[in-house]
Order: sequence, then structure tokens, then C-alpha cells
Amino acid sequence: NAGVTQTPKFQVLKTGQSMTLQCAQDMNHEYMSWYRQDPGMGLRLIHYSVGAGITDQGEVPNGYNVSRSTTEDFPLRLLSAAPSQTSVYFCASSYVLADGYTFGSGTRLTVV
Amino acid sequence: AQSVTQPDIHITVSEGASLELRCNYSYGATPYLFWYVQSPGQGLQLLLKYFSGDTLVQGIKGFEAEFKRSQSSFNLRKPSVHWSDAAEYFCAVGVADTGNQFYFGTGTSLTVIP
Repeated sequence: NAGVTQTPKFQVLKTGQSMTLQCAQDMNHEYMSWYRQDPGMGLRLIHYSVGAGITDQGEVPNGYNVSRSTTEDFPLRLLSAAPSQTSVYFCASSYVLADGYTFGSGTRLTVV
Repeated sequence: AQSVTQPDIHITVSEGASLELRCNYSYGATPYLFWYVQSPGQGLQLLLKYFSGDTLVQGIKGFEAEFKRSQSSFNLRKPSVHWSDAAEYFCAVGVADTGNQFYFGTGTSLTVIP
């Protein structure tokens, strides 16, 4: 099992560019989430999904889109990158809430 | 709204000393409670979890945590800290009624002095 795989690990974008952060899990988890981590702010939930075809907004969804066409994949799209989106992004998945989330290794994004 | 508070931003302890990291949550019912550890440049690893039963739970790497309903707390403890425990620690609350969302505290950074 690869667990939760995030690509790329590092990315530099120019303001206004768009990109997709990829997230895939091979554990047949229904629940998947995207978080951003900023110094002193912990992890903040961007979007989450409770299964294929179902997504919803978290605490900080503005500027991001998601879709969930398969159980395995949950990409995060930045529509028009802004310097405020410079952060470390984590994807996580879970089978049931009581198990806790399994995290990917993160994507460090810099927007200049 | 649900919230998770970790009042200590940074803690320094000597190797071999005991450790307690504090976590308080705000939620109407007993939520699912977790502690995660993050080493520099790494993802988050689950240390331990609680959702029912014995209020003292054991985790990996010699960590334990105690759930106290009256204080809405879930503090993490370790009797003797090792230098390799230096990391960032996050408390998290799992909420079942809104799509398995997890809410994280802002983290406590642990420095271990040799």
C-alpha cells in the first residue's frame, strides 16, 4: 500500500497562474480532505469529500476547487494563484472517523 | 463552532524529563480525539486516539493521553522524553455530524535539550 500520495512535493507559481495538486489513496477510504498549514495557524480545512461525487467546503475554501470522480483521487485546483495561497498543503483520507486521518507527505507551494 | 485550543505554542524540556502537552476542545458532545506528531518537513503521524471507553489511552512511541470530560481536555503525556521526540504536536477533534471533519489545534512545538 502506498497510502496517501501527493504530487508535486514542491511548486512555485506566479500570481494568477492555475494548477492542480494531486492526491491519490489506495486504501479504499471514502473520506478525503485537503488542509493547508501555515505557521502559527495549525491545519485549516479547505475542502472535504465523503465519497465519490460528493464534496463540500471547509473553513477556508475561497480560491480553491475540488472534485471527486473516483474513490481514489481528490485533486485540489487553484484557480488563480495569489501570494496568500503560499502554504504547505496536505491531503488526508479516512475509512471511518474513529480511525483518524492518514496524511500525505504534503506539497509546499510558493506563489510569487 | 467547534474549536481546539493548544495553549502552549512552544515547550522546552530536558531529555529524560516528563512531558505534558495541553489540549482543550469546545464541542457539545464527546468528539473523537486525536494527537498527531509532525517532524520537520514531514507529514502528520497519528500518535493515539480516543472516542469511548477507558479515558487513559496509550499510543505509539511511549505516549499516552487522558480524556477528562469535565474539563473538555485531552492532554498528551510522556514519562521520559527522548531527543527524537522533538517535533510539532497537534491535537485534533473529529466531528461525525458534518462529514467526518477534523479540526486541528494550532500546534505545540517541542524542543528537547540534551
